Amino acid sequence: SYELTQPPSVSVSPGQTARITCSGDALPKKYAYWYQQKSGQAPVLVIYEDSKRPSGIPERFSGSSSGTMATLTISGAQVEDEADYYCYSTDSSGNHVVFGGGTKLTVL
Amino acid sequence: QVQLQESGPGLVKPSQTLSLTCTVSGGSISSGSYYWSWIRQPAGKGLEWIGRIYTSGSTNYNPSLKSRVTISVDTSKNQFSLKLSSVTAADTAVYYCARALPDSSGYYYETNWGQGTLVTVSS
Repeated sequence: SYELTQPPSVSVSPGQTARITCSGDALPKKYAYWYQQKSGQAPVLVIYEDSKRPSGIPERFSGSSSGTMATLTISGAQVEDEADYYCYSTDSSGNHVVFGGGTKLTVL
Repeated sequence: QVQLQESGPGLVKPSQTLSLTCTVSGGSISSGSYYWSWIRQPAGKGLEWIGRIYTSGSTNYNPSLKSRVTISVDTSKNQFSLKLSSVTAADTAVYYCARALPDSSGYYYETNWGQGTLVTVSS
């Protein structure tokens, strides 16, 4: 079955740049999406189609994708950005949807 | 702005069928090119995509759950539902419903999510 691989945790100090990666064999052909999930809350979409930002998401959130790796970048991370982040995509057929295992971002 | 709300029993016995309903407000479930999805999350673990349904009735399920999952839609009630059969403790999770929009390639991704509902499988 198709898998997306993320690092379990990333830690940065406030104001630093946080980068969270997601690797998957189909990413050269399929878009990556990123969700933010704060403790006890439902996930929120922060990046879609590799690099697009939904309305209301701060500009410090950006996304990119190259080859088999997609990256979520938080420029000037803030304490309120502490959350679990999940990448999301499909396999090469487009029929099987998967989430990455999630990355816990700590900002302190 | 569309809103989604999950409802259903919070406790299900092992081997029984889990049944949840998602009520959509702020828009018609049958308008627009949307899929309607279910996702779950065991406590302390990651998200697992369960499946989705189009208003035409077309479905797409996670292969690992496909044999036990049925998603249906009731346009007259503006609701869609999840049934998961033969549940075990491993099915204990927060279950989310969501609306999926098409991307520029025609594939779908979840945007609006419900708040989630905890379902515990226990005797």
